[in-house]
Amino acid sequence: ELKVEQNPLFLSMQEGKNYTIYCNYSTTSDRLYWYRQDPGKSLESLFVLLSNGAVKQEGRLMASLDTKARLSTLHITAAVHDLSATYFCAAPRRTSGSRLTFGEGTQLTVNP
Amino acid sequence: DGGITQSPKYLFRKEGQNVTLSCEQNLNHDAMYWYRQDPGQGLRLIYYSQIVNDFQKGDIAEGYSVSREKKESFPLTVTSAQKNPTAFYLCASSWQGHSPLHFGNGTRLTVT
Repeated sequence: ELKVEQNPLFLSMQEGKNYTIYCNYSTTSDRLYWYRQDPGKSLESLFVLLSNGAVKQEGRLMASLDTKARLSTLHITAAVHDLSATYFCAAPRRTSGSRLTFGEGTQLTVNP
Repeated sequence: DGGITQSPKYLFRKEGQNVTLSCEQNLNHDAMYWYRQDPGQGLRLIYYSQIVNDFQKGDIAEGYSVSREKKESFPLTVTSAQKNPTAFYLCASSWQGHSPLHFGNGTRLTVT
């Protein structure tokens, strides 16, 4: 059974600082997805990582995938308040690639 | 504009009543999904459908039912057999393959 674990689950940081969110998954997968959720809202797709070594960047967020280590990271550079949200990673199941298993989410708060 | 529409946004029901949540998409996506989110938790898959007139149980299907009579529509019925139905319900759709999920805005169901 695929398990997806994120850490930390809660992250409070100051504006201007850098930090990394980690996503570990338990079974082999060649893809990994990152989503953002604002409080009370739906999920928005951030990144789709499709191969080992994939790196995607959008603004102050950069995601990477290491399939051998079964690890994805979401790096935040020079955080700003607008990045405050909950971030989820998700991996597809081997038995059905369209079914995603989500991590618990990392609740990020960026303080002025 | 293409997207996924969930209705209603908020729904209140008495215990013992069945309730149907609507999900419509005009993205021409083949696959549709229902997820449940509880406070402070990740998403859990209830049901999914990859083609019209076919659907499969997810991880927590007990107490729920779905239908997929049209490509655009995937309604979810929460039956009285669902022991703890109060939650945030998210509908999503995607192309087959590696594409990310596109989510609706969710329905917040409260059962008292």
